[in-house]
Amino acid sequence: QVQLVESGGGVVQPGRSLRLSCAASGFTFSSHGMHWVRQAAGKGLEWVAVIWYDGSKKYYADSVKGRFTISRDNPKNTLYLQMSSLRVEDTAVYYCARWDNDKRFDPWGQGTLVTVSS
Amino acid sequence: QSTLTQPASVSGSPGQWITISCAGTSSDVGDNNYVSWYQQLPGKAPKLMIYAVTSRPSGVSDRFSGSKSGNTASLTISGLQAEDEADYYCCAYTSSSTFVFGGGTHLTVL
Repeated sequence: QVQLVESGGGVVQPGRSLRLSCAASGFTFSSHGMHWVRQAAGKGLEWVAVIWYDGSKKYYADSVKGRFTISRDNPKNTLYLQMSSLRVEDTAVYYCARWDNDKRFDPWGQGTLVTVSS
Repeated sequence: QSTLTQPASVSGSPGQWITISCAGTSSDVGDNNYVSWYQQLPGKAPKLMIYAVTSRPSGVSDRFSGSKSGNTASLTISGLQAEDEADYYCCAYTSSSTFVFGGGTHLTVL
């Protein structure tokens, strides 16, 4: 079955960097765009970034532009989010999601928690 | 990139129907037909309920339906059941090739 498993979360100090990974299985990873979406505790969903199926295009939310980089390794069926210059307000659960037909997010991974704190 | 506007909470009794609105602009909700809706149960990942404004994925109850008029989309849930109690989020594709979510609506089944 289609599965997305995030990893790489943890506690990091402000200004430092962290890389998240999302391992995909059960579908042809190289045929689908992929997203990162985050959710701070008790808050709503915030779209973070999208990457085209072949990595040719990438788009970011204004809140992370210039600090976060989305990338993918299709032979390894893995999506990444390189986060730098982290801020306290980046603290959230980060989800990866498959970009399916008609611009839908389906399915989602279980999420990985990133805590930015001194 | 502002969030789409949803009511913070709605409620209804079992068997009734409710509607959750999602107000955007001509640059997102009103720009195309790529509005989707997600259900999130406590401590769980979001689940797709509606896509392309009105389409329902296989496995999602036909009690869930979507619509759009101008810059506002809506999710309607008929025949409310206790299991429908959750947070619901709308999402729209924008004219800038980005995405924007609504602030979320908590549904309480009385």
